[in-house]
Parts: sequence; structure tokens; C-alpha cells
Amino acid sequence: GIQVEQSPPDLILQEGANSTLRCNFSDSVNNLQWFHQNPWGQLINLFYIPSGTKQNGRLSATTVATERYSLLYISSSQTTDSGVYFCAAEGRETSGSRLTFGEGTQLTVNP
Amino acid sequence: DAGITQSPRHKVTETGTPVTLRCHQTENHRYMYWYRQDPGHGLRLIHYSYGVKDTDKGEVSDGYSVSRSKTEDFLLTLESATSSQTSVYFCAISRDKGYQPQHFGDGTRLSIL
Repeated sequence: GIQVEQSPPDLILQEGANSTLRCNFSDSVNNLQWFHQNPWGQLINLFYIPSGTKQNGRLSATTVATERYSLLYISSSQTTDSGVYFCAAEGRETSGSRLTFGEGTQLTVNP
Repeated sequence: DAGITQSPRHKVTETGTPVTLRCHQTENHRYMYWYRQDPGHGLRLIHYSYGVKDTDKGEVSDGYSVSRSKTEDFLLTLESATSSQTSVYFCAISRDKGYQPQHFGDGTRLSIL
């Protein structure tokens, strides 16, 4: 099955800084999503982005499917951005319902 | 927020006992999923459903069964719980196809002693 690798595993920022999180995947994808798990354990869907670029407020994401990676940009970070960011992908050969998650990037934003 | 309710939110039980976790949705979404989250493994798919009575296995399905008799409810059963099934279990839903954003419930923390 598809392999999903995220980097960096840990990231510490000062409030106001910008950051880029990376997700590499081992095969062509038809389904790629980014999630944020807050310190209380809740998982929030940030983007469904198998290709192209999307923006939502201070967050944006770009997936370059031909080169098998996706990037999540966080601008002007806030303490509420802290938590774990997960990338999840599904390869083209499957049905569209079997996401494989990376192990996440643990982000800490200090005031 | 997607209307997804997991119950119970916390459970402690003993090895060998049966356990059933419930996921209830009010969104009328076709797809429902069960994941487990463990340190060092991220989230892994256990089973999923693509309609009433239609289910399929995920990556870590051994020791688990599921049922979906109504659109809104998806049950996960551990027939005879083992300590290796201690985990946080998440339910997720997506609208009408697999290629849709998945939205998660708040999780169930299950401890098996």
C-alpha cells in the first residue's frame, strides 16, 4: 500500500512566525487530506486536496501530485495552532475509502 | 461541526469481555469509518461502511467486527477484548463517495486491563 511520510516530526515556533509542513507519498493519489488534532484530541479536517492549491484564512495547502508531495503552510501562527497535523492519502488503485495516515507533525506555538 | 457522536467516551474493561462502541451521525452521510490511534502508528483504518449493511475491512481489522443496520449508526465490536486493543477509537464520516473530506467524532478512549 501507499506510504505517507511527514516532516518535520516536531516543530516549535514563536507566535507570529510562518511554517511549512511537508507530506511525501509513495504512489499516485486520488485522495489527499490534511487534518489538525488539537491538544484535546479532536481531529479537524483542514483540506481535501488531491491536487492544486487551496487557502483557508491563514492556512493554505498545495499538492504537486506528479512529484508526490503536499505542503501545508501556516502563516502568522497563533497559540491555538498548536497540536498535531496529519496528512492522509489514498493511492489510485483503491476505491476512495482507504486513507493511510502519516505519523504527523507535532507543532508547538509559544506566546 | 459535523453531527457525529461517539459513545461511550471512556471505557475500562477486562480482557476477554465483549465491547461495543457506537458511532451515531445526523448528517445522512453514506460513508462511515472506524480508526484506532496509537502512539507511533498515527491513525489506522479498522473497518468502513459504504452503505447500510455494506462494510469492508481496513488495515487492522483482525479482532474487530462492525455492523450498520441504519444509515446513522455504525457499531464496532470487540468480541473478546485483548490488552493490545487498548487505544483511542475514532469514528469518521464522508458524504457520498470515498473522495470526500472525512469528518471525525471526538473519540472513545478504551482501556483493557
